[in-house]
Amino acid sequence: GAVVSQHPSRVICKSGTSVKIECRSLDFQATTMFWYRQFPKQSLMLMATSNEGSKATYEQGVEKDKFLINHASLTLSTLTVTSAHPEDSSFYICSATGVTDTQYFGPGTRLTVL
Amino acid sequence: EDKVVQSPLSLVVHEGDTVTLNCSYEVTNFRSLLWYKQEKKAPTFLFMLTSSGIEKKSGRLSSILDKKELFSILNITATQTGDSAVYLCAVEQGGSQGNLIFGKGTKLSVKP
Repeated sequence: GAVVSQHPSRVICKSGTSVKIECRSLDFQATTMFWYRQFPKQSLMLMATSNEGSKATYEQGVEKDKFLINHASLTLSTLTVTSAHPEDSSFYICSATGVTDTQYFGPGTRLTVL
Repeated sequence: EDKVVQSPLSLVVHEGDTVTLNCSYEVTNFRSLLWYKQEKKAPTFLFMLTSSGIEKKSGRLSSILDKKELFSILNITATQTGDSAVYLCAVEQGGSQGNLIFGKGTKLSVKP
């Protein structure tokens, strides 16, 4: 139980294009979803927290106009990287919580911007 | 199916106790195993293990990997209340995708 999936698992795009990453809770209702970005040396940075039906809360230093987060349903949140640039290349991971505060992590999406 | 299983799911100890957290995995194209500590926001990186039998140590925390038996342990000695957290184990897959497969975590509570 408590499976979280991400799609796509890998995406390569040209600089200036927008990329959408989906995060789905497959067998539970995710009231809260979190988006992380993995930096070198394996550290994870929390980008934003999204609650179903409301605006996402972004961490300091994360541009909300660049990283658009939508949590339209209890099983789906999307992260759109707008006008992507090579420095946005990274590994993006989502996690979700349901009735408890245990976070269940997705497998990640590797974004490469050429 | 790739999976990472952590045990126990939760654990309550008293200050000064030593704890051992377990992580077993069945993952194709294994590259490394990572341990994180999660208190409030983003998980904090603790260790990355790639080779069997080599202990990694940082203060009171240590970890070791057994690639033959497909598991890792995280030890915390002389626990303190500040060690209370969720400890996450994740296995990184090799190849072009480099998926990170997380376990469900062990919630450690250290009582004074």
